[in-house]
Amino acid sequence: AQKVTQAQTEISVVEKEDVTLDCVYETRDTTYYLFWYKQPPSGELVFLIRRNSFDEQNEISGRYSWNFQKSTSSFNFTITASQVVDSAVYFCALSEPQRISGGYNKLIFGAGTRLAVHP
Amino acid sequence: DVKVTQSSRYLVKRTGEKVFLECVQDMDHENMFWYRQDPGLGLRLIYFSYDVKMKEKGDIPEGYSVSREKKERFSLILESASTNQTSMYLCASSKGGVYNEQFFGPGTRLTVL
Repeated sequence: AQKVTQAQTEISVVEKEDVTLDCVYETRDTTYYLFWYKQPPSGELVFLIRRNSFDEQNEISGRYSWNFQKSTSSFNFTITASQVVDSAVYFCALSEPQRISGGYNKLIFGAGTRLAVHP
Repeated sequence: DVKVTQSSRYLVKRTGEKVFLECVQDMDHENMFWYRQDPGLGLRLIYFSYDVKMKEKGDIPEGYSVSREKKERFSLILESASTNQTSMYLCASSKGGVYNEQFFGPGTRLTVL
């Protein structure tokens, strides 16, 4: 069965520290997608990144970077030089592509990691 | 800007009441979803809809039903609310296609007394 594990429940860092959020997934599918979402205190989940199973290139977007390793079934997220505004709950999600009608992604979410960045 | 709105941010209901949670998206998305979020469990899918009047059960549909009469609106119904349905409810939508990300609303925190 599909499963996403975010072993870190809470992380606390001081501003400007680098921090890595771990995500390990299980799936039998050969085609799948992985996502990261951020949930700030306002509650609305914000999409950060999508990665498909055939693309193992790492990605960098400003202070954010993602490391996808199929060999270890991991999709880790690193924030460099963290800021107070990075404080949020971060969710990793695995998709089960569904080809009903136009198709959609059924997402399986991890439990989330709460990141607190202190000044 | 992409927008998903939910009718209430906070709701307090009594056990046995019928509860309606409304979700509207303005992006002409085909797919809409209802999740509940509980501490330590992440988000769990209740129901989803891939077209008007079409619906599919998610992982935890018991005690819930849904309605999608128009493309932009997806309602979650608790026929007889119970205390174990106290939770944060999140609505999402996405374009058709297996590649597309879901866009989320701000959530409704429902308390059943």
